[in-house]
Amino acid sequence: NAGVTQTPKFQVLKTGQSMTLQCAQDMNHNSMYWYRQDPGMGLRLIYYSASEGTTDKGEVPNGYNVSRLNKREFSLRLESAAPSQTSVYFCASRKRQVESTDTQYFGPGTRLTVL
Amino acid sequence: KQEVTQIPAALSVPEGENLVLNCSFTDSAIYNLQWFRQDPGKGLTSLLLIQSSQREQTSGRLNASLDKSSGRSTLYIAASQPGDSATYLCAVRRTQGGSEKLVFGKGTKLTVNP
Repeated sequence: NAGVTQTPKFQVLKTGQSMTLQCAQDMNHNSMYWYRQDPGMGLRLIYYSASEGTTDKGEVPNGYNVSRLNKREFSLRLESAAPSQTSVYFCASRKRQVESTDTQYFGPGTRLTVL
Repeated sequence: KQEVTQIPAALSVPEGENLVLNCSFTDSAIYNLQWFRQDPGKGLTSLLLIQSSQREQTSGRLNASLDKSSGRSTLYIAASQPGDSATYLCAVRRTQGGSEKLVFGKGTKLTVNP
């Protein structure tokens, strides 16, 4: 099992450019999440998908869109990148079968710089 | 709004020392609390998960406690090793609306010196 994979690992964009961050998991998990991590701010939830076919906003959704393509894949799109979106982006997944005990599994992250 | 605070922000200790990391949260209506480890340039790895009805969880040299009424959790690391050097994050799961949303603290960066 590769677990949670993210592409690309690094990306530099100019203001106004668009891009899609890809995330895939091979653990047959139901729920998937996108976070951003900024120095001094901790991890903040951008969007999540509780199950295939559903998506919901998290704490900081402005400027982003998501697609739950299938059970395995959950992508995050920046339509018009801004310097404030410079961050490290993490994707996570969770089985959601035994709710009281299961945890989120995180990918290695994508480091995005917007100039 | 739930807020999670971790103190200290950074900690440096000599190898072999026992240490305690602290986490506090403002809203005691939590479903569970988790401790994660993050190595530089890497994602997060779950260490321990404590249900709201539990008082503590143990895994090897790690012991996490939870006092929901006071809004506090501690992560105890026994006989620390250089390999324990990492950032440790605390996260609480809220009970709002049945959906899972984790609220993270900003972490404690631990350095264990040989």
